[in-house]
Amino acid sequence: DSGVTQTPKHLITATGQRVTLRCSPRSGDLSVYWYQQSLDQGLQFLIQYYNGEERAKGNILERFSAQQFPDLHSELNLSSLELGDSALYFCASSGTESYNEQFFGPGTRLTVL
Amino acid sequence: GNSVTQMEGPVTLSEEAFLTINCTYTATGYPSLFWYVQYPGEGLQLLLKATKADDKGSNKGFEATYRKETTSFHLEKGSVQVSDSAVYFCALSDPNTNAGKSTFGDGTTLTVKP
Repeated sequence: DSGVTQTPKHLITATGQRVTLRCSPRSGDLSVYWYQQSLDQGLQFLIQYYNGEERAKGNILERFSAQQFPDLHSELNLSSLELGDSALYFCASSGTESYNEQFFGPGTRLTVL
Repeated sequence: GNSVTQMEGPVTLSEEAFLTINCTYTATGYPSLFWYVQYPGEGLQLLLKATKADDKGSNKGFEATYRKETTSFHLEKGSVQVSDSAVYFCALSDPNTNAGKSTFGDGTTLTVKP
């Protein structure tokens, strides 16, 4: 158990809809990262937050947004969903060690029909 | 920018065979290097790490040595088991750039047959 929790575990929705994925980092970790894993594109970094502030941005679509709240949990919002958004979405957190080992949650499997 | 290149898979081995998965990297500064493993249906978990040149990370019989001269961090195991079947990701984190964001390779799928 990494200490990172993600909800829901599975999500099935329709094209055009909007969903919210939730992540609670390990106790004390200030950084949260979001990744998308699909069969054809591997693990893609989306965005990082550190103590409530956006710190780094990767290949995140404009239809997607995220935030980190004062209690350090984070939410990833996906809107105007398309079939190609079906994937596993992982959240990870890291502490203050300089080598930045990341601890991954179990993921949310999103299926867009 | 930073990048990680992993040996393409999938890799299929018989039980007790020797495993090598190649990983090379490009980075500015002095990154930390990691191998993560993803078992079927699970998230990634850290397998081993090395934080400076010539360090050897090891865990569960797996080893990797941080080679700065060849910018490599190859994963090895002397005798694989069926339970080692998983996807393996090489990654780097440069504490001096990108605020600690890790860069991951594309992953290598390993299947071990009895």
